[in-house]
Amino acid sequence: EPEVTQTPSHQVTQMGQEVILRCVPISNHLYFYWYRQILGQKVEFLVSFYNNEISEKSEIFDDQFSVERPDGSNFTLKIRSTKLEDSAMYFCASRVRLAVDNEQFFGPGTRLTVL
Amino acid sequence: GQQLNQSPQSMFIQEGEDVSMNCTSSSIFNTWLWYKQDPGEGPVLLIALYKAGELTSNGRLTAQFGITRKDSFLNISASIPSDVGIYFCAGGMNRDDKIIFGKGTRLHILP
Repeated sequence: EPEVTQTPSHQVTQMGQEVILRCVPISNHLYFYWYRQILGQKVEFLVSFYNNEISEKSEIFDDQFSVERPDGSNFTLKIRSTKLEDSAMYFCASRVRLAVDNEQFFGPGTRLTVL
Repeated sequence: GQQLNQSPQSMFIQEGEDVSMNCTSSSIFNTWLWYKQDPGEGPVLLIALYKAGELTSNGRLTAQFGITRKDSFLNISASIPSDVGIYFCAGGMNRDDKIIFGKGTRLHILP
């Protein structure tokens, strides 16, 4: 069964450094998302992406964050200058655009630790 | 902003018991989704609901979309050890929209 994959599974970085989190969505999906989950808390929406542009973003997704689909398969989240409070699990999700549902399928996540 | 209130926060049950958890909101949602998350992994979609009043089953799981569109419940019958995990409800406003997650119900099964 096709699934969303994410790399790396764990990223440790120093405060102020740039990180890029990578995702490969399910191949026929056209809508892509990033969510984050601070340890022990709920999953929070960051950004949605369709047709090579951001559809919607939350207040968390400030100027330090950016997303890109550099080729036909990868979807990346970049944090330019990490802060301690960016430490969290980051989940990529994707869904089929033309379906009449809103079923988003999540990857296994990248655990980001900012020291 | 939109918030989902999920209860209970945690449950301790015996293997074989039935489980019920629910989710309420002050806002109307057009989609309700139930996910399960195991430690260190991403949420896995269990059931999706799209019509008010809809009752949908997936094996031992049953979920309903409330008539008011402001609530949903999930039932698990005859619980087994692999049911342990965190169950999240999530609501969506539009077909293309982000989904808003509840805070989760952590299910523990006693031996």
